Amino acid sequence: DAGVIQSPRHEVTEMGQEVTLRCKPISGHNSLFWYRQTMMRGLELLIYFNNNVPIDDSGMPEDRFSAKMPNASFSTLKIQPSEPRDSAVYFCASRTGGNSPLHFGNGTRLTVT
Amino acid sequence: RKEVEQDPGPFNVPEGATVAFNCTYSNSASQSFFWYRQDCRKEPKLLMSVYSSGNEDGRFTAQLNRASQYISLLIRDSKLSDSATYLCVVNVNAGKSTFGDGTTLTVKP
Repeated sequence: DAGVIQSPRHEVTEMGQEVTLRCKPISGHNSLFWYRQTMMRGLELLIYFNNNVPIDDSGMPEDRFSAKMPNASFSTLKIQPSEPRDSAVYFCASRTGGNSPLHFGNGTRLTVT
Repeated sequence: RKEVEQDPGPFNVPEGATVAFNCTYSNSASQSFFWYRQDCRKEPKLLMSVYSSGNEDGRFTAQLNRASQYISLLIRDSKLSDSATYLCVVNVNAGKSTFGDGTTLTVKP
């Protein structure tokens, strides 16, 4: 079975540019999570969706970050404009029910210069 | 106070040693608990779920103490391949999954 699929794997961009990260959750999973990981701050929850509806976006750092889930099989995380401090690995994860474990994608390694 | 706190480590142990990690959580409404393993520059992967009665998977034993709000992971007869960062995860029912900062384990020959 296909796992969570993220794209791109690597993204290098200049400060001020728009960045869009993509995620396809596991089919049948109804919750989707976006995390950011850095050495300094560890794994931080940015936002999560249940049944395509955003439930908690309190982890989104600021208005430059936005996330959408237009359907059950696709989500995007957008940063506009990007800044060097946004450099991190961004993970998408999905799960079935609320007591189920998360399954992670391979992550997108973002570098903003 | 963080919602999920772990021993910071790092733990450096010889092959064959037994090592234990602890993790405490602050939300008494937490419903499910997990241990994940993360290798360098890779995504976290589920190691095992943690059940109230305690559970074992080969050399790994996980335990939950709801009264004291902590979970633990015991690794027996550690192997070089066990070297990784171990993350505890707490789910509030139908809600967010919160990760600890992780504990780094290095097993040496």
